[in-house]
Amino acid sequence: GQQVMQIPQYQHVQEGEDFTTYCNSSTTLSNIQWYKQRPGGHPVFLIQLVKSGEVKKQKRLTFQFGEAKKNSSLHITATQTTDVGTYFCAGRPGNQFYFGTGTSLTVIP
Amino acid sequence: DSGVTQTPKHLITATGQRVTLRCSPRSGDLSVYWYQQSLDQGLQFLIQYYNGEERAKGNILERFSAQQFPDLHSELNLSSLELGDSALYFCASSPTSLYTDTQYFGPGTRLTVL
Repeated sequence: GQQVMQIPQYQHVQEGEDFTTYCNSSTTLSNIQWYKQRPGGHPVFLIQLVKSGEVKKQKRLTFQFGEAKKNSSLHITATQTTDVGTYFCAGRPGNQFYFGTGTSLTVIP
Repeated sequence: DSGVTQTPKHLITATGQRVTLRCSPRSGDLSVYWYQQSLDQGLQFLIQYYNGEERAKGNILERFSAQQFPDLHSELNLSSLELGDSALYFCASSPTSLYTDTQYFGPGTRLTVL
């Protein structure tokens, strides 16, 4: 079964509100990546986290890797309409590579 | 533009047929990954090649096969096609280190099986 789960599956927010998506793996990940896929587009790499407890920021986006390297989160502050899309986490619990189930973000102007 | 190219963009074929999807990685990238994306299955990892050798295998069907050539381009072959194989197929490439999975995706090939 799916080894990298993401919640929520869908999120609708008013423009200006914050947004968070959570990613959980059943096993330890050596690293985790986050990707964004706009409607009709392809996944675009956002960031990679490697160290336990690592926190990285990209403007309004904050990425966190859990201490046990089994979970991660992406937080967007003050969403904008350009943030619309599906956000995926991805990692390699074993030899196979897994993408999370994704969180589809809708931003209401 | 990620620098990864995929051809063709669209492919319409019939059940039972065989098709080949092609991917050219970014210049210098040694790893190529193949994914299948359908509405109900999300992004499913199929297979990864590193410098011509198979590195990891996902839930790739026996009817599907792939290879990476000496010039590093890759092909995904899908045979005995079924209606359920209709999906978007992405190729991604990754920089030279074996220990990074940072991937750059191509625009995808949309396969429709009628």
